[in-house]
Amino acid sequence: DAKTTQPTSMDCAEGRAANLPCNHSTISGNEYVYWYRQIHSQGPQYIIHGLKNNETNEMASLIITEDRKSSTLILPHATLRDTAVYYCIVRVAGFGGTSYDKVIFGPGTSLSVIP
Amino acid sequence: SAVISQKPSRDICQRGTSLTIQCQVDSQVTMMFWYRQQPGQSLTLIATANQGSEATYESGFVIDKFPISRPNLTFSTLTVSNMSPEDSSIYLCSVERPPGTEAFFGQGTRLTVV
Repeated sequence: DAKTTQPTSMDCAEGRAANLPCNHSTISGNEYVYWYRQIHSQGPQYIIHGLKNNETNEMASLIITEDRKSSTLILPHATLRDTAVYYCIVRVAGFGGTSYDKVIFGPGTSLSVIP
Repeated sequence: SAVISQKPSRDICQRGTSLTIQCQVDSQVTMMFWYRQQPGQSLTLIATANQGSEATYESGFVIDKFPISRPNLTFSTLTVSNMSPEDSSIYLCSVERPPGTEAFFGQGTRLTVV
């Protein structure tokens, strides 16, 4: 079973920031938070990941609460091309070790960016 | 990053037949993963394929229905056997490089069984 809870769907106005929440209240100390998205008719695409610090890359920012029980993916200036299903995934990752979890997808959040 | 090519991109098949889906990666990887995405649903992991050993199947998936081959470190096939309309799905291949870090996915094979 997925270890995360996300809203089923969200809307966002084009040009505005899209804030996608994720709850992972049972996260363990060695589990990372990952975000992927799937644009219609394409394979999923990696966006960002983090352990406990906030992270930013060219696509998005990831804000993780201090207790790590929830996080928010931020798309700073949403465009129509950001319309997709966004998946929040919690897993043990392989950074610095040989043991890691498989990537298990939950239902995700369907984000619609509206003109 | 990783470039993953899947063939065919789509197919329409008769029930009772089998289809083999190919996945080619642009460089060597330890494990390859096969997922199924039923219409309107999220991705479900079918199995993990290691080179030189039998694939490891997730609960609800069996080797007789979804035989997998992994002849080398850049290639794998998934066969959907004795197909029924319930097998109509998108089948996706995935790799992680380095292992356990970031997953890359092929574009998928859209299968329709009639």
